[in-house]
Amino acid sequence: EAGVAQSPRYKIIEKRQSVAFWCNPISGHATLYWYQQILGQGPKLLIQFQNNGVVDDSQLPKDRFSAERLKGVDSTLKIQPAKLEDSAVYLCASSLVWQGELFFGSGTQLSVL
Amino acid sequence: AQTVTQSQPEMSVQEAETVTLSCTYDTSESDYYLFWYKQPPSRQMILVIRQEAYKQQNATENRFSVNFQKAAKSFSLKISDSQLGDAAMYFCASGYSSASKIIFGSGTRLSIRP
Repeated sequence: EAGVAQSPRYKIIEKRQSVAFWCNPISGHATLYWYQQILGQGPKLLIQFQNNGVVDDSQLPKDRFSAERLKGVDSTLKIQPAKLEDSAVYLCASSLVWQGELFFGSGTQLSVL
Repeated sequence: AQTVTQSQPEMSVQEAETVTLSCTYDTSESDYYLFWYKQPPSRQMILVIRQEAYKQQNATENRFSVNFQKAAKSFSLKISDSQLGDAAMYFCASGYSSASKIIFGSGTRLSIRP
């Protein structure tokens, strides 16, 4: 069974630039999560999808962050414009049901200079 | 608000010894789940163990076991016979039925002394 795929693995941009991350969850997993993990902290939920609908985006900075999940499969997370404090690892995870195990990708490490 | 607290930023244990990582949570929910995840330097989070709140029996997975104290809202992880490969960040997490989302604590960095 293929795992959760994320790309790119690393990204370096300057502040005010835009960036996009891609995630392909495990086939059949209805729930998809984007987490932001700042160095030394635990993952913080940014947005949660159930199929292609948003379940929770209460902690997503909507003035600069956007996310979509087309056809209930792949997902993209975009930041525009980026700020220095957006430097973090962005983790994508999926699960069959929300109470079950989360399967994580390897994350994208973003550095904003 | 639902919270998960890990009060030990770092822990160290001698190889083959036993170590316990602490976690407390706060919720008014009756239907929830608790998890321990491991994050090695590769960054990929891996589920260590999972506990349903309605189950009184503590979950066990090989060398990993939990001490679930529901009244005290405590969920500690015990690692027996520690191995070098156990060195990683460990995150406690909780999921709540009403919110259907999973939130994480701040993590404990575990190092193993050979």
